[in-house]
Amino acid sequence: NAGVTQTPKFRVLKTGQSMTLLCAQDMNHEYMYWYRQDPGMGLRLIHYSVGEGTTAKGEVPDGYNVSRLKKQNFLLGLESAAPSQTSVYFCASSYSLGTGRVNQPQHFGDGTRLSIL
Amino acid sequence: GESVGLHLPTLSVQEGDNSIINCAYSNSASDYFIWYKQESGKGPQFIIDIRSNMDKRQGQRVTVLLNKTVKHLSLQIAATQPGDSAVYFCAENPTGGFKTIFGAGTRLFVKA
Repeated sequence: NAGVTQTPKFRVLKTGQSMTLLCAQDMNHEYMYWYRQDPGMGLRLIHYSVGEGTTAKGEVPDGYNVSRLKKQNFLLGLESAAPSQTSVYFCASSYSLGTGRVNQPQHFGDGTRLSIL
Repeated sequence: GESVGLHLPTLSVQEGDNSIINCAYSNSASDYFIWYKQESGKGPQFIIDIRSNMDKRQGQRVTVLLNKTVKHLSLQIAATQPGDSAVYFCAENPTGGFKTIFGAGTRLFVKA
């Protein structure tokens, strides 16, 4: 049981390049999330998904896109990377009680450290 | 605006002592609270949670206290060990929606 796995662990991009961050969970969780973590700002929600084929915007969605084609995978895409997107990105998943909200602990991956030059 | 804050950004304790990490939350509509531990280079790890219909909940060496009157949350760690050194986040979930509000974190140093 690996939990939440993120790839890659590190990446350096040039401004304007694109890339996709991969997240996989093996806990059969319905809900999945992408966060960014910046010094002094805590974790901020970028996008989330309540099930296969569904995605929604979080607190800071601009410049990012996501897809959830399979229940176990949640992909985060940067179409045209900008220096402001330099951050540590965390994927998380949680169990659903079917109540349409977060009321179970989230399980996090170990992050992708992304630098945009 | 909404915020989950911490009274102390850093806390240094002697090994074997008890640690108390405090957190203030501002959204009175929140009814689910979680403490996470984050070690260097790792993702946040769930420690313990509590719902608003409770005042106290205990786990293994950890206790969470919730005071809804003053909107205060605390994490108590008994017999703190070097392995407890990490950043601790409190988080709240307002009723409805998927936004979890995370605090900026408190760094706990355990001196041997």
